[in-house]
Amino acid sequence: DADVTQTPRNRITKTGKRIMLECSQTKGHDRMYWYRQDPGLGLQLIYYSFDVKDINKGEISDGYSVSRQAQAKFSLSLESAIPNQTALYFCATSGGQGANNEQFFGPGTRLTVL
Amino acid sequence: GENVEQHPSTLSVQEGDSAVIKCTYSDSASNYFPWYKQELGKRPQLIIDIRSNVGEKKDQRIAVTLNKTAKHFSLHITETQPEDSAVYFCAASYSGSARQLTFGSGTQLTVLP
Repeated sequence: DADVTQTPRNRITKTGKRIMLECSQTKGHDRMYWYRQDPGLGLQLIYYSFDVKDINKGEISDGYSVSRQAQAKFSLSLESAIPNQTALYFCATSGGQGANNEQFFGPGTRLTVL
Repeated sequence: GENVEQHPSTLSVQEGDSAVIKCTYSDSASNYFPWYKQELGKRPQLIIDIRSNVGEKKDQRIAVTLNKTAKHFSLHITETQPEDSAVYFCAASYSGSARQLTFGSGTQLTVLP
């Protein structure tokens, strides 16, 4: 089945380290998103990309960067991790023009910054 | 930008009773309103959505209603079952070129046996 996958699933790191979270999809979707989930705060959009040449900031992009290496791959980087970036991170995809707005989520990456 | 408020944050109901979760949105241009269910340790998954050209949509035991004038929409679950226990998120977006979803803060629904 076409799916959205994320690696790693869990990561513990130290303050100041550079971390990359990776997302791949086999759904053939153009649009990819990175969200952060904190208890009681829902899902907050970090960055989104509508195609390989398009990158857009979301609500909470400070401290994060992204790279869209191919249609199927979208990675999120924390250049210098800090403890308040401890959270559950989700990648999501959706279809392009003419498709509905449904977003399909990956399984999530639980990141802990000590 | 869009702001979505969701209430209540927690909801407990007896098995077989109904549950209602309410959301309000701020941007009158929003025209797509999905609801996602997230079971413990799992990814969010779409359970139902509604577009602004309809007022109500049903799918078996779940229904969503939309009041565009008041800018609020609600999720109704009837005959609740233990497997309905999860966190539910509402969201809103403008179905134009942006198609960003703005999510509510979530409701933890617990169905008591």
